[in-house]
Amino acid sequence: DIQMTQSPSSLSASVGDRVTITCRASQGVSNYLAWFQQKPGKAPKSLIYSASTLQSGVPSRFSGSGSGTDFTLTISSLQAEDFATYYCQQYKSYPQTFGQGTQLEIK
Amino acid sequence: QVQLQESGPGLVRPSQTLSLTCSVSGGPLSRGGYYWAWIRQHPGKGLEWIGCIFHSGSTDYNPSLKSRVTMSVDTSTNQFSLRLSSVTAADTAVYYCARQGTTVSLDYWGQGTLVTVSS
Repeated sequence: DIQMTQSPSSLSASVGDRVTITCRASQGVSNYLAWFQQKPGKAPKSLIYSASTLQSGVPSRFSGSGSGTDFTLTISSLQAEDFATYYCQQYKSYPQTFGQGTQLEIK
Repeated sequence: QVQLQESGPGLVRPSQTLSLTCSVSGGPLSRGGYYWAWIRQHPGKGLEWIGCIFHSGSTDYNPSLKSRVTMSVDTSTNQFSLRLSSVTAADTAVYYCARQGTTVSLDYWGQGTLVTVSS
């Protein structure tokens, strides 16, 4: 299985901050990398696929980059509704695997 | 707009079989070349991909669960299903169904259903 490692595991930030979360794959996944946002008690929401393509309706303050083994999710200016847990996921090969999550908290 | 809804028992006895169904609305699940997936999340933990099924019935399962998982699809009712046999407390989790695309990954999700394994 491809192991996905996110850093940091948790992060405290303030509204308006620029935040970056990184995701590293144990082997190359090309650009088959997605990012999800999950709020407590809710299903994950797809934010980005193909490493850098925003899902329809996702605000432009979210962006993704990377290819191969190293990826980043950036939120350019944090809004109150962005405080949540974020997961990366590789879908290059089965079984699809997720990172352990990054919990983004209000400072 | 595609919508998915999980249904099934919230409590399953140890050693029994967990059975869940996902109802898809907003279009036939045979359209668009998508797979249909199950993902679970243990309480307070991360996400685990269980497997997926194509409308033809072709499946791919996570090797960690493969010996206990069976997925099926019913295009006449626009539903797909998950069966997980010989459950233990370690199978207690929120189970999600989702649409899985080759390019877009898991773009639509159900709300999830908590299944507790307990006697």
